[in-house]
Amino acid sequence: KAGVTQTPRYLIKTRGQQVTLSCSPISGHRSVSWYQQTPGQGLQFLFEYFSETQRNKGNFPGRFSGRQFSNSRSEMNVSTLELGDSALYLCASKDRASTGELFFGEGSRLTVL
Amino acid sequence: AQRVTQPEKLLSVFKGAPVELKCNYSYSGSPELFWYVQYSRQRLQLLLRHISRESIKGFTADLNKGETSFHLKKPFAQEEDSAMYYCALKTSGSRLTFGEGTQLTVNP
Repeated sequence: KAGVTQTPRYLIKTRGQQVTLSCSPISGHRSVSWYQQTPGQGLQFLFEYFSETQRNKGNFPGRFSGRQFSNSRSEMNVSTLELGDSALYLCASKDRASTGELFFGEGSRLTVL
Repeated sequence: AQRVTQPEKLLSVFKGAPVELKCNYSYSGSPELFWYVQYSRQRLQLLLRHISRESIKGFTADLNKGETSFHLKKPFAQEEDSAMYYCALKTSGSRLTFGEGTQLTVNP
């Protein structure tokens, strides 16, 4: 099976812009979660989707949003970008039967100038 | 609130030496703990989980609820073990709380 695929891999934006990141989970996985990774804060949970419904949300402002489509693909959006949003955004998928193992993508590296 | 602490950001050992990566957690519920590893230029991947009580690549980790710890151990480190290791606590669904990570370097 193909692994978790994230696009784009790299992108540069300026403050105030918005960005949309995409994630295609492993075939058959219906749970998708997003994490932000920064040198200062480490890996932090953003949100989780299952069957197009948000199940969990981390402690991030409302500028961070996401959605999941019927084919389990997911997108996350960050509006009104700030310099501090520069990070590696990781997507992970999970099989419902899994005892907790997450399969991570390679990430989308966002730089905000 | 849940918290995972990995006190060592960097750990360096020689090949063949024992290695222990420390992880302590704080959680009011029944913990489910994992070790994830990221090798150079590879994606983050699961190494082992406490529920399975398994040994993967020679690594083991025992959950000690009294000390709220989940240290990762290997009796004889290999150069290919050099990587970033993250301890993670599952709180619900796919929500993991990660520690800050320990960069392990195994010197020849």
